[in-house]
Amino acid sequence: SYVLTQPPSVSVAPGKTARITCGGHNIGSKSVHWYHQKPRQVPVVVIYDDSDRPSGIPERFSGSNSGNTATLTISRVEAGDEADYYCQVWDRGSDHWVFGGGTKLTVL
Amino acid sequence: VQLVESGGGVVQPGRSLRLSCAASGFTFNKHAMHWVRQAPGKGLEWVADILYDGSIEYYADSVKGRFTISRDNSKNTLFLQMNSLRAEDTALYYCVREPHSSSFHLDYWGQGTLVTVSS
Repeated sequence: SYVLTQPPSVSVAPGKTARITCGGHNIGSKSVHWYHQKPRQVPVVVIYDDSDRPSGIPERFSGSNSGNTATLTISRVEAGDEADYYCQVWDRGSDHWVFGGGTKLTVL
Repeated sequence: VQLVESGGGVVQPGRSLRLSCAASGFTFNKHAMHWVRQAPGKGLEWVADILYDGSIEYYADSVKGRFTISRDNSKNTLFLQMNSLRAEDTALYYCVREPHSSSFHLDYWGQGTLVTVSS
């Protein structure tokens, strides 16, 4: 089955740029979606279809996807961006939906 | 959009449990629906999904043959029948909507219902 690999944690200072990666075999051929989950809250989609932002998500959030790595980039990081971030794809071969293991973003 | 799960609780290993999800605020019969679970302190795990008309279902390997997803479009309700429960099924179970589009992501999540499998 298809596997998505994320770093367990990423730390960044306020005002800096955070990059969270999601690795998968030829992931560039798939559409990647990103969710954040703040403590004791439900997940919220922040990027879909590699780089589209839902309404209400700040422009500071952006995404890219190529080769074997997709990346969620958060510019001008704020304390309120602290959360767990998950990438997700639909694997056409198995008709399974797959989540990455999640990355805890810490704002120093 | 509102998704309200119910039916969770404490159950012994090997027993069964049926989860429900009452949907409102959107045209339920136009959307595929999913169950996603999250074990305590762990990440998200997709469990199952069902097409808008209930014609096709898909399951994660970890639950295939034990869980059954279904829906009643006349009552705007999604179900998850869970049989032969195991300790590793302990999790918060979310009812989740897939948008009516060609994008395979999840746009609205319920608050979840907790299932604890323990003797």
